[in-house]
Amino acid sequence: GAVVSQHPSWVICKSGTSVKIECRSLDFQATTMFWYRQFPKQSLMLMATSNEGSKATYEQGVEKDKFLINHASLTLSTLTVTSAHPEDSSFYICSARDGRLRYEQYFGPGTRLTVT
Amino acid sequence: GQQLNQSPQSMFIQEGEDVSMNCTSSSIFNTWLWYKQDPGEGPVLLIALYKAGELTSNGRLTAQFGITRKDSFLNISASIPSDVGIYFCAGYTNAGKSTFGDGTTLTVKP
Repeated sequence: GAVVSQHPSWVICKSGTSVKIECRSLDFQATTMFWYRQFPKQSLMLMATSNEGSKATYEQGVEKDKFLINHASLTLSTLTVTSAHPEDSSFYICSARDGRLRYEQYFGPGTRLTVT
Repeated sequence: GQQLNQSPQSMFIQEGEDVSMNCTSSSIFNTWLWYKQDPGEGPVLLIALYKAGELTSNGRLTAQFGITRKDSFLNISASIPSDVGIYFCAGYTNAGKSTFGDGTTLTVKP
């Protein structure tokens, strides 16, 4: 149980285009979903937290107009990187929490984004 | 904001050795979680701790929730090559706000 999937697992896009990453909880209802960014050999950097049906709460320094997050259902959240630039290249990981299971977060396998 | 100090930053050990890593904070947490991340993958939950003083095992892994609620440690006994990866601690407040440590990178030499 507690499986989270992400799609795509990797994507290459051209500078200036937008990319959408999907995060799904497969066998539980995710009341809260989190989006992280991770640079090589570094820790997880929380970008935003979203509750189903509500606007996402962004961490300081994260541009909400650039990283659009939608948590439209209890099993799906999307992160759209708009007008991507090479510096947006990174490993993006989502995680989901079932509110009935205390605080455990279950992570997706991550999406490697490369902007050329 | 709350900060976690996770140490050591990296470890190079021989297969069969025991490993110990810890996280400390100046803040109190109500839950501690330990995760392992393999290269190119998302973190996987290893152990969850909910009460001060709690000691929990998962196979060769043992973790403890410090009595002051400001620290936690993770031990791995008799390490094997597949233990290689990055280990993260995460502390959670009552409000569900999480703070992650910077990770401990473990290398196991056969």
